[in-house]
Amino acid sequence: EVQLVESGGGLVQPGGSLRLSCAASGFTFNSFWMSWVRQAPGEGLEWVALIKYDGVERYYVDSVKGRFTITRDNAKNSLNLQLNSLTAEDTAVYYCATYVHRASDSWGQGTLVTVSS
Amino acid sequence: DIQMTQSPSSVSASVGDRVTITCRASQGISTWLAWYQQKPGKAPKLLIYSASNLQSGVPSRFSGSGSGTDFTLTISSLQPEDFATYYCQQGNILPLTFGGGTKVEIK
Repeated sequence: EVQLVESGGGLVQPGGSLRLSCAASGFTFNSFWMSWVRQAPGEGLEWVALIKYDGVERYYVDSVKGRFTITRDNAKNSLNLQLNSLTAEDTAVYYCATYVHRASDSWGQGTLVTVSS
Repeated sequence: DIQMTQSPSSVSASVGDRVTITCRASQGISTWLAWYQQKPGKAPKLLIYSASNLQSGVPSRFSGSGSGTDFTLTISSLQPEDFATYYCQQGNILPLTFGGGTKVEIK
């Protein structure tokens, strides 16, 4: 059974940084593209970042380019998202998900990031 | 970026009703369209990928159709567990973009 467990969320001040992690199990992690999707409180879904199975290709939504970095450690079955220069607009639940057939297939439970002074 | 427009934004329906949700892309996306279901406080769940392919484990009362710019999600006979918010998402061109959501409520 696919399991994705996010961690690392919390309260951070504007301009601060946070590192999110996603522990993967139950599938061959190094064969799958992975993505991060976020959802602001009471709002819809927004794709954030995508990484190829080998980590070579990475893609971001424009609003986070230069501030967020997606990485993966295939030896540890781990996906990460480094969030820098955070603003209130980054407040959201962040989900990691497998990316198959150009869709987010399996999802974690999410981790909440709150940016506030 | 490709804009995804869902309609209606909400629908009230009864158990047993047939419900249809539409999603329109601002430009052609072939069949790179996915549908998700989300219940309050939970992660989204993939229902349909590539416009019409049912994800494993999803009940057959859910179906998807369309290509190009116009797509449809149909629930043939609404069940109590189907009351939720539904999102479409295009996968043709990055950035991946989602529709605004359709909330299916109890009538």
